[in-house]
Formats: sequence, structure tokens, C-alpha cells
Amino acid sequence: AQSVTQLGSHVSVSEGALVLLRCNYSSSVPPYLFWYVQYPNQGLQLLLKYTTGATLVKGINGFEAEFKKSETSFHLTKPSAHMSDAAEYFCAVSEAWTNAGKSTFGDGTTLTVKP
Amino acid sequence: EAGVTQFPSHSVIEKGQTVTLRCDPISGHDNLYWYRRVMGKEIKFLLHFVKESKQDESGMPNNRFLAERTGGTYSTLKVQPAELEDSGVYFCASSLWTGNEQYFGPGTRLTVT
Repeated sequence: AQSVTQLGSHVSVSEGALVLLRCNYSSSVPPYLFWYVQYPNQGLQLLLKYTTGATLVKGINGFEAEFKKSETSFHLTKPSAHMSDAAEYFCAVSEAWTNAGKSTFGDGTTLTVKP
Repeated sequence: EAGVTQFPSHSVIEKGQTVTLRCDPISGHDNLYWYRRVMGKEIKFLLHFVKESKQDESGMPNNRFLAERTGGTYSTLKVQPAELEDSGVYFCASSLWTGNEQYFGPGTRLTVT
């Protein structure tokens, strides 16, 4: 079984400030981990993913995330927030060996960027 | 390259009626997935097709939901009869192979009144 917990349903930062969105997961087998972003009236867009290899993953729009197995975490960060980053963000996990097609999502975190 | 498309974008129906949602995956993607998000909660997996076969339908809530993918191209998700708790946003996604990046459509917002 797998699950995802996103800490904080709403996060607000000032433009230029660090963005940190938290994600903890549980998985009985090695996980694939994903961060998606959803802008209003659009579908989910993949920001970045971890499958194997390097634990620090870089994605689009300056975002990155680090897979920490000991902490079962996959937090999303961006050094400097931009107004265009305001959106809803979803962390997801799938089980690499047993059921890679079935992704389990967190509840989502809405990011607000203040001018 | 066209992305995943879904039709309709919105649907409002009365309880007891039938609704059919359609998803056209990215051309060449054998894997197609349906997800649902209810009332701002988490996005939940419904089922996974590989070509025309149902690989995993463990997330289908009950037998009022029927998904098909005849010919392994587009897919339909029929809800019959619809209940109030079926309201939500239904997302479709596709991927080239299982475990690879899933590309999502914009979703169909279903409202059952």
C-alpha cells in the first residue's frame, strides 16, 4: 500500500522568497515520486520525478526536490518565488516494481505568491 | 503533438441520469488512466488500461461506473445512474509505458444535482 501526505493545504510566500512544499510518502516497495502543478482551468503538468539514481532531482521552472529515503520525504523547493508560481501542487507516489501505473496523490497544496 | 483531450469540459446532470466522459490520449500511448478528484480532496486513481485491456481497476467505486477502451485508442467512462457523490473532476492521463511520466488532460467537471 502507498500513501502521500502533503503538509499544509495552503502556503503563502512573498515574491523572491524561498518556496518549500512538503511531501511525505509511504510505500512498501521502492517508490517512484512525482510533483505536479495545476494552474487554473488546466490539467496537471509534471514538474519533476524521481525514479532511480540521483536523489536531487531538478525540474522545470527552477523547481527541485530531494528524495530522502530515511525520512520518507520528497519536499519541493524553489529558491526564489515568482508570481507565476501561484498554483496548486500535488505530490504523488507509485510503486516501482509492483504497480508503477497507479499513482497515489496527496491532497494538494495551494501556493500563493504575494507581491 | 496534441496532448490528452477530454470531452466535455463540464457536465451538469440530474441524479439518476447517465453521463459518458471521453478521453483521447496522446497518439501512441498504450497506457491510459482515469482519476477523480472529489470536493477538493486528493486525486484518486480509478483505473488503468494497457491498450484495450484493464490492467488495474481497483479504484472504481462501484458498478455504476463502466470504463471502456475499444480498439486501444480513446476511452469512455460512463456513470449510470449518477448519484450526488459522483460530482467532481474526472482526469484522464496517458503514458508511453507503465511507470513513465503520465500526461494529464484538463479534466471534466461533473456536477450531479
